[in-house]
Amino acid sequence: ELKVEQNPLFLSMQEGKNYTIYCNYSTTSDRLYWYRQDPGKSLESLFVLLSNGAVKQEGRLMASLDTKARLSTLHITAAVHDLSATYFCAVVRNNNDMRFGAGTRLTVKP
Amino acid sequence: GAVVSQHPSWVICKSGTSVKIECRSLDFQATTMFWYRQFPKQSLMLMATSNEGSKATYEQGVEKDKFLINHASLTLSTLTVTSAHPEDSSFYICSARDLDRTGELFFGEGSRLTVL
Repeated sequence: ELKVEQNPLFLSMQEGKNYTIYCNYSTTSDRLYWYRQDPGKSLESLFVLLSNGAVKQEGRLMASLDTKARLSTLHITAAVHDLSATYFCAVVRNNNDMRFGAGTRLTVKP
Repeated sequence: GAVVSQHPSWVICKSGTSVKIECRSLDFQATTMFWYRQFPKQSLMLMATSNEGSKATYEQGVEKDKFLINHASLTLSTLTVTSAHPEDSSFYICSARDLDRTGELFFGEGSRLTVL
């Protein structure tokens, strides 16, 4: 069974600081997604990672994938308040089976 | 980019009534759509996979007779919550796969159901 574990579940950090969110999964996968969700809203796609060693960056967020370790990271650089949201990783296996991590609720304080 | 639209955005209904939620892919055809449920402060849980022209595949623990899924066309899937009860109150999100764009998944805006 495909299991996806995110760490940490809650994160409070000061503006300007850096931090990394981790996503571990239990079996081989086809692709890995990172999403952002604001309260009361649906998911906003941030990154799709397809292969081992993939690294993608958008603004203050950078995602990487290590398929051998079954680990993806979402790194936050110099956090700002606007990044406050819940971040989910999701892993797809067999092209259809998509499982979500529990989510990391990020609060960035001034 | 591809757009998936859900309707209604939110609905409040009385206990015992049925509610239908629509999920439409607006600019692509989707042979497969997915329905998720999200309780407050929790992650998304896959309820079922909706396949155009065939029966939906339900996840373990999801009642087929309770959550009726119909995928009658390549752009529309519907989820009907039958005889809704307060414990069915949740945020329901659909997603659709665009096979023409490397199978990329696109999510709807979500539908918030409150059962009184």
